[in-house]
Amino acid sequence: DQQVKQNSPSLSVQEGRISILNCDYTNSMFDYFLWYKKYPAEGPTFLISISSIKDKNEDGRFTVFLNKSAKHLSLHIVPSQPGDSAVYFCAASPIYGGATNKLIFGTGTLLAVQP
Amino acid sequence: DAGVTQSPTHLIKTRGQQVTLRCSPKSGHDTVSWYQQALGQGPQFIFQYYEEEERQRGNFPDRFSGHQFPNYSSELNVNALLLGDSALYLCASHRTGVVYFGPGTRLLVL
Repeated sequence: DQQVKQNSPSLSVQEGRISILNCDYTNSMFDYFLWYKKYPAEGPTFLISISSIKDKNEDGRFTVFLNKSAKHLSLHIVPSQPGDSAVYFCAASPIYGGATNKLIFGTGTLLAVQP
Repeated sequence: DAGVTQSPTHLIKTRGQQVTLRCSPKSGHDTVSWYQQALGQGPQFIFQYYEEEERQRGNFPDRFSGHQFPNYSSELNVNALLLGDSALYLCASHRTGVVYFGPGTRLLVL
């Protein structure tokens, strides 16, 4: 049962354009969402997060949008740069009585930014 | 400020053997979690340690066990290794909020 889904295994974008990575979830108990970037042979690197009380969070070139009614979030990267080429993981955290930060990950989207 | 560190970086074992992986959390973090990432998949939660006790556990068999020490560092032990245990094992730490990951230990079981 895949509770967090990234339906696009890969995405190719031209340098300078917008990259949009999508993520869907099924569990309404998820309360906190994070995006991680992963290069080969490295651990995931935190990019940006959003709490369910917000619908948008920005950090420089990265913006995450959350649509709770649709159980959908997206990561926008503007402008895209070749160094952004990596696998991007969406992760969700369920809140059960305060014990948290157990992350449920999607399968990842490989972003390739073409110069 | 050192981030999450893990050792060793790579490991080769044979079926039936036992393995121990080690992790030091980011400075100031008191909670350590372990994840398994198989090829082409997202990381899967194994278990989480807080105050030297296992607080949460994912859907992994009892062959996977762990420990947290008073200095918050942690070990992951896997007994009776199977070929399917070949994966990248990630350690993560947090106090509140964002979870930070180490570089991982690549385990190959032959």
